[in-house]
Formats: sequence, C-alpha cells, structure tokens
Amino acid sequence: GAGVSQSPSNKVTEKGKDVELRCDPISGHTALYWYRQSLGQGLEFLIYFQGNSAPDKSGLPSDRFSAERTGGSVSTLTIQRTQQEDSAVYLCASSPQVGTEAFFGQGTRLTVV
Amino acid sequence: LAKTTQPISMDSYEGQEVNITCSHNNIATNDYITWYQQFPSQGPRFIIQGYKTKVTNEVASLFIPADRKSSTLSLPRVSLSDTAVYYCLVGEDGGSQGNLIFGKGTKLSVKP
Repeated sequence: GAGVSQSPSNKVTEKGKDVELRCDPISGHTALYWYRQSLGQGLEFLIYFQGNSAPDKSGLPSDRFSAERTGGSVSTLTIQRTQQEDSAVYLCASSPQVGTEAFFGQGTRLTVV
Repeated sequence: LAKTTQPISMDSYEGQEVNITCSHNNIATNDYITWYQQFPSQGPRFIIQGYKTKVTNEVASLFIPADRKSSTLSLPRVSLSDTAVYYCLVGEDGGSQGNLIFGKGTKLSVKP
C-alpha cells in the first residue's frame, strides 16, 4: 500500500475483553514499531520488530500485552483482559530498516468501557 | 539512550521564523538527531535528521553546534498549519538501535 495501514480505526470494547489491533506496514519495510498515546500525552514506545523478531519487549506495559509479526509484514498487537487505563490511541510505524525515517499510520483509537 | 529536553510549548505568529531548541547533553558519538511533527489526531511525521553542522530541506533547517549537546529546529515563515507538536529524538542512526523513543515534545501554536 501507499502508507502504513491500521485497523480498526476505532474500537470500543468492554473491560475484560481481549482486543487485536492490526498494522500493515509499507511493503518492504523491515522495521515495525508500536506506540501508545493517551489523550494529550506523548508517545509511549511499546515494541519494535526487525523482520519477524522483537529484540526488545521491555516497553510492553504488562503481560496482558503481546505482539507478533508474521512474514516480515503484518503485525498484530493483542491486549488481553482490557482495562480502562488501556484506552488510548495505538500507533504503528514502519521504516525501511531500523533507524531510518519512520512512517506512521493513523492509529487505532481504543476505548475500554 | 540520550535523553532530550525541549520546551513544553511555544507561541508564534504567522510569517515569523520559529526556532525550537532541544538539549541532549549525553549524546553519544554514533547518535543522530531526528525531528518529527505531529498534528492532532495523526501519527508523527518525519521532518529532518542530522548529525552535525547544518541540514536543510524543503520544510526546515536543523542547526547542530560542534559539541552536539543541543540542536535547533528552524521553521521559516510559519503558517497556521504549522501548529503541531514537534519531537526531538536522539539515537544511533536516528533510531536508538530500533526503539525510537519520543519525549514530550514542544507544542507550537501559530497565531494569525
């Protein structure tokens, strides 16, 4: 695609439910990043992938959060047993390789009620 | 990781030049300096990246002194559409070995 695509754009879920957020990076980009941004706040780094591997998972807020990337392309961020404090915009970015210009998607706005 | 410090907010008027300075006292030899711009309800967008001296593109200029402990993003003749949050990042090859870490950024408000 022309840019990074994230789906869904909006998600409302009940507390305790699991959610999956999807990111389609720009074709050929080997690096992929996930961030969380609460209202009026900066970007909180969650995890990055180099190919299919995630060298550093320390940014994930808790063990309820997990992410995977398959085929060096699509990535899924899964939040289990969602809590209200998980409500935020989840942003995905990709870059041709680690350290080069990152291109961001429009984000998924998650609301936990 | 080199920590960055930026002003929380800045105000300007249309047509003025805006300079946003970022401090990064612990910058390492291999670290690049990268700036991103974020509009409300959008993901950040890359503006410019540099290592030393001056870099200029169609959007902005980046000034980096010899000691590299700070950098200044210069936006010439701003317009209302330049109202956004500007983030300074420092890391190896511009990305801290993969974990691009954003600080709180500088909220620039351009007034008519």
